[in-house]
Amino acid sequence: AAGVIQSPRHLIKEKRETATLKCYPIPRHDTVYWYQQGPGQDPQFLISFYEKMQSDKGSIPDRFSAQQFSDYHSELNMSSLELGDSALYFCASTSGTGELFFGEGSRLTVL
Amino acid sequence: SQQGEEDPQALSIQEGENATMNCSYKTSINNLQWYRQNSGRGLVHLILIRSNEREKHSGRLRVTLDTSKKSSSLLITASRAADTASYFCATDATKAAGNKLTFGGGTRVLVKP
Repeated sequence: AAGVIQSPRHLIKEKRETATLKCYPIPRHDTVYWYQQGPGQDPQFLISFYEKMQSDKGSIPDRFSAQQFSDYHSELNMSSLELGDSALYFCASTSGTGELFFGEGSRLTVL
Repeated sequence: SQQGEEDPQALSIQEGENATMNCSYKTSINNLQWYRQNSGRGLVHLILIRSNEREKHSGRLRVTLDTSKKSSSLLITASRAADTASYFCATDATKAAGNKLTFGGGTRVLVKP
């Protein structure tokens, strides 16, 4: 069965650079979530989209923005990167059953 | 503050033993879910228990929910080395928009062969 696809799986950036993460949800899933997980931390909710509209916002810095496109894929844009942005970024999708399906994550390292 | 907090933070057991971990939360919920995460990998859904349910089973997993105490427990019976992972509880709060999940701190489980 198709799963949530995230790209890139790994990326390394310098401070103050920008990065874009992509997420392709499971087909027919209408809701996408973004989570950030620092080393040894629990996943922190960043933002979510339902039917291409932002549905909820969590602890997402103003330097970050995200959107969901007409094909339901989503992108998380991160600018002015800081060392503290180094983390695993997960995308998850759901069809409304309550269960979230997570991708394998994108590991961002900021040097 | 975190919606869900887990106890213990780490657990080391022998293969064949049972592993029990607990989760507490603060607000009213629609449901509580347990996820498993292998190191550096994505989270995998294990089981969902709704606020009107008290106990649920799935294979070797047993989950309980006590909404009066705002707590849940996950029991893994007859553990295997492959159960080594971090386990997170996550809550879907009733007042949260978009059914987002708020995760607790996780319990790291090591099952020794």
